[in-house]
Amino acid sequence: EVQLVESGGGLVQPGGSLRLSCAASGFTFSSYWMHWVRQAPGKGLVWVSRINSDGSSTSYADSVKGRFTISRDNAKNTLYLQMNSLRAEDTAVYYCARASYSYGSDYWGQGTLVTVSS
Amino acid sequence: QSVLTQPPSASGTPGQRVTISCSGSSSNIGSNYVYWYQQLPGTAPKLLIYRNNQRPSGVPDRFSGSKSGTSASLAISGLRSEDEADYYCAAWDDSLSGEVFGGGTKLTVL
Repeated sequence: EVQLVESGGGLVQPGGSLRLSCAASGFTFSSYWMHWVRQAPGKGLVWVSRINSDGSSTSYADSVKGRFTISRDNAKNTLYLQMNSLRAEDTAVYYCARASYSYGSDYWGQGTLVTVSS
Repeated sequence: QSVLTQPPSASGTPGQRVTISCSGSSSNIGSNYVYWYQQLPGTAPKLLIYRNNQRPSGVPDRFSGSKSGTSASLAISGLRSEDEADYYCAAWDDSLSGEVFGGGTKLTVL
């Protein structure tokens, strides 16, 4: 069974940093692209970042470019999102999702809440 | 403002057929597959349609997708109360090298 479990969310002050993790199991993690997608309270889904299967290629939404870094450790079956210079508008539930061109984001984690507030 | 455009709301009565539209551009829907996701209240999104019109195993055939040019639509026939959820269209965007979403459509079963 495919499982994605996010962790690392919490309350952080504006300008602060946080690192999210996504532990994957039930599939060959190193064969799949992965996405981070966020959802602000009461709002829609917004794609944040993606990484290819071996970590050699990444892309970011303009709103997080230069502040967030996506990475992965295929030996540990874990996806990361390093978030720096956090702003109030980054407050959201962050989901990791397994991705492919054919199937889109076919499996999602349960999400982890990040709250940026003083 | 979302890259893909969906109506914010839709509604129907049990047994009815409803459709949800999704409009994009040549860099996303026009040149790539469309996906649809269902998000029940308080839960993570779930893949509903992939490759424009394919259903993952376990998704009822009441759900169908179509695409034409830079637009797509999701149809739900035989509407049931458990279909009440938010529905999002998405597509890969060549300019962003990422997946873009619509703003979501809240479906109410009256």
